[in-house]
Amino acid sequence: LAKTTQPISMDSYEGQEVNITCSHNNIATNDYITWYQQFPSQGPRFIIQGYKTKVTNEVASLFIPADRKSSTLSLPRVSLSDTAVYYCLVGDISGANNLFFGTGTRLTVIP
Amino acid sequence: GAGVSQSPRYKVAKRGQDVALRCDPISGHVSLFWYQQALGQGPEFLTYFQNEAQLDKSGLPSDRFFAERPEGSVSTLKIQRTQQEDSAVYLCASSLVAGDPMNTEAFFGQGTRLTVV
Repeated sequence: LAKTTQPISMDSYEGQEVNITCSHNNIATNDYITWYQQFPSQGPRFIIQGYKTKVTNEVASLFIPADRKSSTLSLPRVSLSDTAVYYCLVGDISGANNLFFGTGTRLTVIP
Repeated sequence: GAGVSQSPRYKVAKRGQDVALRCDPISGHVSLFWYQQALGQGPEFLTYFQNEAQLDKSGLPSDRFFAERPEGSVSTLKIQRTQQEDSAVYLCASSLVAGDPMNTEAFFGQGTRLTVV
């Protein structure tokens, strides 16, 4: 399993763009990169998934450089409701391998 | 319902009691996962099913933990002779298929908070 490293916490003001970077130096060829968001007392919620380059959806963008040893989740114009823990996961999607969580990044959005 | 449903939402057990936690995944979802989440920590993988087959149980912390999904839909996580260190939130997730990048999004339930006293 590819080990992931993310900042433990981040603070941001409302309306700013937030970038959370995850390092995964030993990512394997078959591994995908997936980000989940978790609010207190709720289960994690899927945000975005990618394999290489850039993926964008209505919630976020995911930037993956050519060597795939890191990835950056970008949240545009955050609001107070984006305060949550964000998890970067790396693994082979063919089984349970892609859903191993680390400790995540606790994002606090400040008014 | 449309989402993953877990019951009970809260469970208090006396040390040494057996407990059973239920997960109703989204209808038609092939993959089902169980996690244990301690306070302030990320979810820790326990076990994984594809339909009724338990393909990975490497995360189960001891032989007191047992999971089943006999008909490939509802799953039960059973903990025998509960101990205080079993106190945690137990999360269940399901996904449509394995191996398809368009369908591996996992949907989580709200979890069952187990407190062992």
